[in-house]
Amino acid sequence: EPEVTQTPSHQVTQMGQEVILRCVPISNHLYFYWYRQILGQKVEFLVSFYNNEISEKSEIFDDQFSVERPDGSNFTLKIRSTKLEDSAMYFCASSEFELRNQPQHFGDGTRLSIL
Amino acid sequence: RKEVEQDPGPFNVPEGATVAFNCTYSNSASQSFFWYRQDCRKEPKLLMSVYSSGNEDGRFTAQLNRASQYISLLIRDSKLSDSATYLCVVNHDYKLSFGAGTTVTVRA
Repeated sequence: EPEVTQTPSHQVTQMGQEVILRCVPISNHLYFYWYRQILGQKVEFLVSFYNNEISEKSEIFDDQFSVERPDGSNFTLKIRSTKLEDSAMYFCASSEFELRNQPQHFGDGTRLSIL
Repeated sequence: RKEVEQDPGPFNVPEGATVAFNCTYSNSASQSFFWYRQDCRKEPKLLMSVYSSGNEDGRFTAQLNRASQYISLLIRDSKLSDSATYLCVVNHDYKLSFGAGTTVTVRA
């Protein structure tokens, strides 16, 4: 079964450094998403992306965050200047069609630890 | 009011038992509904979509009540492998809103 893959599985970064999290969505999917989950808390939406544009973003997704689809397969999340509170599990997801009735398929996540 | 609220549990049940739990959502314009399961420190995995008429997938039955903004999940003949956190997930426009999850532990 096709799956969403994320790298790295664990990233340790010094506060203030830039970090890029990478995702390869399922190949025929057109809609891409990033979520985060702080330890012990619920999964939170960050951003959705379609046709090389952000479709929707949450309040969490401030100017420190950006997303990009640099080629036909990768979808990246960049955090420009990391803060301690950015420590979380980051999940990438994709869906084939517009979200309304389509479930999203999640990658197994990148654990980001900010020191 | 939280967008999606769930009873956190935990529900601790013996193998073979039936367990049921609910969630409520605040946005009446929500368009689609799902149950995901999440094992400890793993990614959410789709369990089932929830349709207005209610639907069943093997031992799992989901119900949706749009008037009351309420979704339920029932697990019959529970297995040890059903132990997980069950996430109620609601879609509005281009984003999913997650509940904090209901923890189910099935004991031998």
